[in-house]
Amino acid sequence: DADVTQTPRNRITKTGKRIMLECSQTKGHDRMYWYRQDPGLGLRLIYYSFDVKDINKGEISDGYSVSRQAQAKFSLSLESAIPNQTALYFCATSDLVNGNEQFFGPGTRLTVL
Amino acid sequence: QKEVEQDPGPLSVPEGAIVSLNCTYSNSAFQYFMWYRQYSRKGPELLMYTYSSGNKEDGRFTAQVDKSSKYISLFIRDSQPSDSATYLCAMSGQNAGNMLTFGGGTRLMVKP
Repeated sequence: DADVTQTPRNRITKTGKRIMLECSQTKGHDRMYWYRQDPGLGLRLIYYSFDVKDINKGEISDGYSVSRQAQAKFSLSLESAIPNQTALYFCATSDLVNGNEQFFGPGTRLTVL
Repeated sequence: QKEVEQDPGPLSVPEGAIVSLNCTYSNSAFQYFMWYRQYSRKGPELLMYTYSSGNKEDGRFTAQVDKSSKYISLFIRDSQPSDSATYLCAMSGQNAGNMLTFGGGTRLMVKP
């Protein structure tokens, strides 16, 4: 089984809808991250969490919110989706000591019409 | 100007060629330099990890860092079709717990 899983893998939704993307990990890592990937822009950090009680904004947090329900679960919400949030979304984890080695999930392809 | 610049490609080479992938950066505080490989419809995975300047070799892969020029490279020797992927450089600051800044990725195609 995969160490970092994301659901759903694909989602098409309409402008204004609320969307939740979920991430679970079995690696036992404390740190979890949400990124979005757009062509030519690489990965940009949306939010990150160092433990269940710690949530931090990343580079592009506007329009997004997160919840760390447990050490192993980190969800990303789009309260009111808009078309420019169409992108590939990745969850990642790392241990506390080495944030440079991150383990990524398979991604969620989100399309907002 | 982005902090980390990377030619998006695509870069197409014949099997067996030596491949050179590069990134430039502007933030002199970066100390850790990584290369992630991303296959189509998959998440990135860490390929190479170096600290400060110098070279690191792992099999067919060599990572080079030139901090004086703010330039990093990944060389792939004897390239194989299985190396076809997008390669993302990533960097972070003095603390290994710092956040990563990614380049935009270079798409590589190795033709049999």
